[in-house]
Amino acid sequence: QKEVEQNSGPLSVPEGAIASLNCTYSDRGSQSFFWYRQYSGKSPELIMFIYSNGDKEDGRFTAQLNKASQYVSLLIRDSQPSDSATYLCAVTGPGYSTLTFGKGTMLLVSP
Amino acid sequence: DVKVTQSSRYLVKRTGEKVFLECVQDMDHENMFWYRQDPGLGLRLIYFSYDVKMKEKGDIPEGYSVSREKKERFSLILESASTNQTSMYLCASSPRGVGVNQPQHFGDGTRLSIL
Repeated sequence: QKEVEQNSGPLSVPEGAIASLNCTYSDRGSQSFFWYRQYSGKSPELIMFIYSNGDKEDGRFTAQLNKASQYVSLLIRDSQPSDSATYLCAVTGPGYSTLTFGKGTMLLVSP
Repeated sequence: DVKVTQSSRYLVKRTGEKVFLECVQDMDHENMFWYRQDPGLGLRLIYFSYDVKMKEKGDIPEGYSVSREKKERFSLILESASTNQTSMYLCASSPRGVGVNQPQHFGDGTRLSIL
């Protein structure tokens, strides 16, 4: 059974700080990694995806992948109260084109 | 932008009813998925389809069936609704990937209550 682990949080950071969200996965053969943001009562929204080791930056967001350590992270720079949400990590799933989701980390950004 | 449209945002049905949840995507994606999301349990895959008329069981297919007669439409069917199927149901689609998974894009979700 493939597993994706995230700290449930909440992770609390002040406005303007860097928020660091972490995810570990069990399947060493996983090739695709995604971060989704989900506001309360809403559906998941894709933020970033990463396929190769290293960093990938998009605006205030940076995804970091370390396949050797089976670890993927999301950094949010200059955190804003509007970033307060649950962040879901997703990794290649067991079935064709499927994903396995972590249970998410709740982020709270205080003004 | 990818648009995945679910037919209802909120739905209330009675125990034993046959319930249909509809999902339509406008990006010609090959893959479509149905999930349910419950507090503390996260997103769980019910069924998915990688082509018209093709379907595969996910992690929790019991009590559900699906239909994909056209590429853009993927329906979830609760054969005989039960109270433990009260949940948020999410549809997603993605293009076919080569060697890697392509991102899945989600609809707005249907909050289904079974009374």
